Amino acid sequence: GENVEQHPSTLSVQEGDSAVIKCTYSDSASNYFPWYKQELGKGPQLIIDIRSNVGEKKDQRIAVTLNKTAKHFSLHITETQPEDSAVYFCAASRRGNDYKLSFGAGTTVTVRA
Amino acid sequence: DTAVSQTPKYLVTQMGNDKSIKCEQNLGHDTMYWYKQDSKKFLKIMFSYNNKELIINETVPNRFSPKSPDKAHLNLHINSLELGDSAVYFCASSPMGSTDTQYFGPGTRLTVL
Repeated sequence: GENVEQHPSTLSVQEGDSAVIKCTYSDSASNYFPWYKQELGKGPQLIIDIRSNVGEKKDQRIAVTLNKTAKHFSLHITETQPEDSAVYFCAASRRGNDYKLSFGAGTTVTVRA
Repeated sequence: DTAVSQTPKYLVTQMGNDKSIKCEQNLGHDTMYWYKQDSKKFLKIMFSYNNKELIINETVPNRFSPKSPDKAHLNLHINSLELGDSAVYFCASSPMGSTDTQYFGPGTRLTVL
């Protein structure tokens, strides 16, 4: 099955700086890579996703890049703000009858004011 | 409007008891999921249902029994609760399968004493 590794496990950044979280996946057939943000006491919420036919996607201060050859994808948050503090999860899945979304272990991001 | 709702939000119970968690989605999605999030924040899929049919059962003890009375509901019943069942349980739904965005509920924190 798919194995998703996520680094780092914790990340502390100064407000205004950038944050980068990296994930690698094992199944070369995976073709969908979402990123979720989980705030304290809440469920994970999708913030951005990318499919395997695209190398990069951007939404305001958030961007995701995908390197299919190396089987890794990254989340980039620019101009970080205190409200970006949360746990971020990457995930991967593949098209087909398998309805499983495999998650990374999460990165706790703290933005220092 | 609440997209994916779960009840109860908190559940505290004794070992050996039987309990249920309810989940409802009003998004018209075909697929629903149950995830378990342990104390280290790791998200692990437990079950997936598509159009009321069980798709995934991820090596979950048979003390856990999901029930989907219709496409909009996926309830989780747990028999003979054990200390290790303490976790946060999330329900989620998606339009079709794993390559679609999954929308998570707010979670149910289960504490087994």
